[in-house]
Amino acid sequence: GAVVSQHPSWVICKSGTSVKIECRSLDFQATTMFWYRQFPKQSLMLMATSNEGSKATYEQGVEKDKFLINHASLTLSTLTVTSAHPEDSSFYICSATRAASSYNEQFFGPGTRLTVL
Amino acid sequence: QKEVEQNSGPLSVPEGAIASLNCTYSDRGSQSFFWYRQYSGKSPELIMFIYSNGDKEDGRFTAQLNKASQYVSLLIRDSQPSDSATYLCAVRGQDSSASKIIFGSGTRLSIRP
Repeated sequence: GAVVSQHPSWVICKSGTSVKIECRSLDFQATTMFWYRQFPKQSLMLMATSNEGSKATYEQGVEKDKFLINHASLTLSTLTVTSAHPEDSSFYICSATRAASSYNEQFFGPGTRLTVL
Repeated sequence: QKEVEQNSGPLSVPEGAIASLNCTYSDRGSQSFFWYRQYSGKSPELIMFIYSNGDKEDGRFTAQLNKASQYVSLLIRDSQPSDSATYLCAVRGQDSSASKIIFGSGTRLSIRP
């Protein structure tokens, strides 16, 4: 149990376009989903926390108008990178916590590698 | 001071030996502690979590927690080359976002044959 999927696994786009990344919990209901970004050889950086049906909470320094998060159901959250630029090229990873868990362990999706040309 | 600190490594351990990974945290009220493994180019996967003082064993892995010293460790027995990865320590504190966990920057472990 506790499988999280992401789609697409990789995407290449032109500068100025928008890219949507989906994160799904396949076999559990996710109380909360998280979006991280990781640059090569660097640690995970939390971008935002989203709860179903409410607005996402963004970490300091993350532009909420650029990284749009929608958490429409207990099994789906989406991250849209708007007007992407080469500096947005990174590994984007989502995670989810189970509604039934007391310890809030996070289960990660496989990640989406974004390359902006 | 970082909230969760780990030695970045690399930590090199011979195959078959015990690898010991350490982590300290700053929030004394932290509740739950997690160890994740991340292979290069992949996302993190949960190895185990611990919430009570003492040891917790799962196969070749043992997590140790000492809340008084604000210290958590991961021991890997009979290390295998496939254990070579970055190990991330993560801590859930007492902040307003109860489900948010703070990650350390990770320790790179290399098991030499």
